[in-house]
Amino acid sequence: SQQGEEDPQALSIQEGENATMNCSYKTSINNLQWYRQNSGRGLVHLILIRSNEREKHSGRLRVTLDTSKKSSSLLITASRAADTASYFCATEDSNYQLIWGAGTKLIIKP
Amino acid sequence: DAGVTQSPTHLIKTRGQQVTLRCSPISGHKSVSWYQQVLGQGPQFIFQYYEKEERGRGNFPDRFSARQFPNYSSELNVNALLLGDSALYLCASSLVEGRYNEQFFGPGTRLTVL
Repeated sequence: SQQGEEDPQALSIQEGENATMNCSYKTSINNLQWYRQNSGRGLVHLILIRSNEREKHSGRLRVTLDTSKKSSSLLITASRAADTASYFCATEDSNYQLIWGAGTKLIIKP
Repeated sequence: DAGVTQSPTHLIKTRGQQVTLRCSPISGHKSVSWYQQVLGQGPQFIFQYYEKEERGRGNFPDRFSARQFPNYSSELNVNALLLGDSALYLCASSLVEGRYNEQFFGPGTRLTVL
């Protein structure tokens, strides 16, 4: 079964706008990770936030984590056409296994 | 430096057959994990191997098995294939097992069961 749920399921925005995706999970975690997947192929690791961290930045990416609400958000600023992809959150449980959500499909319109 | 490689890229099988998928991790990585991704869903964890030992197993039937070789490459075997086994099978490697470990994914093997 899947741990995380991403919201929205799909998002379509204009190039240059910001994109925000949310992830909710159910159980306690070691960390939460965000990945990107292009065209149903391999996944690329974007950013990892530990359970004792609240916010993390990497380039145009900003991730927040609220363990009291069991939720996380991924913000992509100044979106580009190349950001078009599916984005997944994955939570690492106490057995160091990654449990994934169903993903948000992001489309950046030129 | 080569990334994670998987073979074959695509595979078509019929119900009841058996399939073997192969994965070579990034050089120096000792942990390999296998995931199944059905179209439109996120990956589901199948197995994790570290130093040739099974470290974790997801909620999959015994038809699914795997092993890791001394060179840290890995094989995933699926017996008695069902139509529902049609999916993208992803392999990921990481340097060690344990917390805060970024996983590097291969391009996947797309299995179609007819």
